Amino acid sequence: QQQVKQSPQSLIVQKGGISIINCAYENTAFDYFPWYQQFPGKGPALLIAIRPDVSEKKEGRFTISFNKSAKQFSLHIMDSQPGDSATYFCAASIDSGTYKYIFGTGTRLKVLA
Amino acid sequence: EAEVAQSPRYKITEKSQAVAFWCDPISGHATLYWYRQILGQGPELLVQFQDESVVDDSQLPKDRFSAERLKGVDSTLKIQPAELGDSAMYLCASSLISGSDTQYFGPGTRLTVL
Repeated sequence: QQQVKQSPQSLIVQKGGISIINCAYENTAFDYFPWYQQFPGKGPALLIAIRPDVSEKKEGRFTISFNKSAKQFSLHIMDSQPGDSATYFCAASIDSGTYKYIFGTGTRLKVLA
Repeated sequence: EAEVAQSPRYKITEKSQAVAFWCDPISGHATLYWYRQILGQGPELLVQFQDESVVDDSQLPKDRFSAERLKGVDSTLKIQPAELGDSAMYLCASSLISGSDTQYFGPGTRLTVL
């Protein structure tokens, strides 16, 4: 019940295309859903995050779509660029005051020039 | 921009040896986290500190792992003795006291146990 399932494991997209990564959870107590981007040899960095009271959040080319009833959320990268090539992790946490994260298994994205 | 510092960046050791990793969080961040990231997987929380107190170490293998955060600032994670299965990236993250939900990660320490 504490797992966050992420798919696909890897993704190849042409430059300018749309990259879509999906995550699903079981624990309805989760109330904060961040996405992290990780480049090789680096620590993860926060990309964008959403709370269940909204169905969509957009920041530049990155959009999170959230479906509370289905317990699913997804990351859309519009106009994907070679510089977006990285591993993306979704996560979920419960507002216990310390925000313990449960991470998905990651999606390795490669954007072809 | 303030960053989480970790050292060393890379560590190679033989099994049964002791290793230690150091983390200096962003100044003013009361919450500090140690994660283990096995290649191809997401980070898994090992231990979480609020100031100098441990608030969650349920996933820390306490027979061989220990962590401390003396004075509530920097932190050390130790493994003794190291086993082959401990080879992984060890990430440190920090966040502001409760009310803030962004965790800032350091670059990690890549541990290889031979």
